[in-house]
Amino acid sequence: GENVEQHPSTLSVQEGDSAVIKCTYSDSASNYFPWYKQELGKGPQLIIDIRSNVGEKKDQRIAVTLNKTAKHFSLHITETQPEDSAVYFCAGSLGHDMRFGAGTRLTVKP
Amino acid sequence: DVKVTQSSRYLVKRTGEKVFLECVQDMDHENMFWYRQDPGLGLRLIYFSYDVKMKEKGDIPEGYSVSREKKERFSLILESASTNQTSMYLCASLTQGAGANVLTFGAGSRLTVL
Repeated sequence: GENVEQHPSTLSVQEGDSAVIKCTYSDSASNYFPWYKQELGKGPQLIIDIRSNVGEKKDQRIAVTLNKTAKHFSLHITETQPEDSAVYFCAGSLGHDMRFGAGTRLTVKP
Repeated sequence: DVKVTQSSRYLVKRTGEKVFLECVQDMDHENMFWYRQDPGLGLRLIYFSYDVKMKEKGDIPEGYSVSREKKERFSLILESASTNQTSMYLCASLTQGAGANVLTFGAGSRLTVL
């Protein structure tokens, strides 16, 4: 089955700096890669996703890149703000079979 | 918007007790999931259901069972709670669209087993 590894486990940046979280996956058949953000006391919420036929996708300050050959994908957050502080999860899936990374705790210092 | 409601936010139970965690979704979704969240381990799938009375084991089903008697409700059952089942439990419902499968999660149920 799919195995998703995520790095780093914790990340601290200064407000305004960029943050990058990286994930690798094992199953080349996986074709959908979402990113979820979990704020304190809440369940994870989808923030951006990318399909395997796309190399990059951007939504305002967040972007995701996918390298199918290397089987890795990354989340990029620019101009970070304190409200970006949360736990972020990457996932790889084929159909409804979705596997999550271990999570990255991002702290944005004002 | 899809809403997924977990009825219990915090529970404290004793070893050996039977525990029910309830989850309700309001979008008539066929697919529902139960995950367990532990620090450093991410979200691990316990069970999922693709229709009423249908279920499939996930990666860590041992010590758990599920019930799906109605489409909107998916329950996780710990037949005899143990201390190693102390964790955060997340229920999710799946929206299937063109090229994307989006999980909507509930707020979570934090279970402590003493």
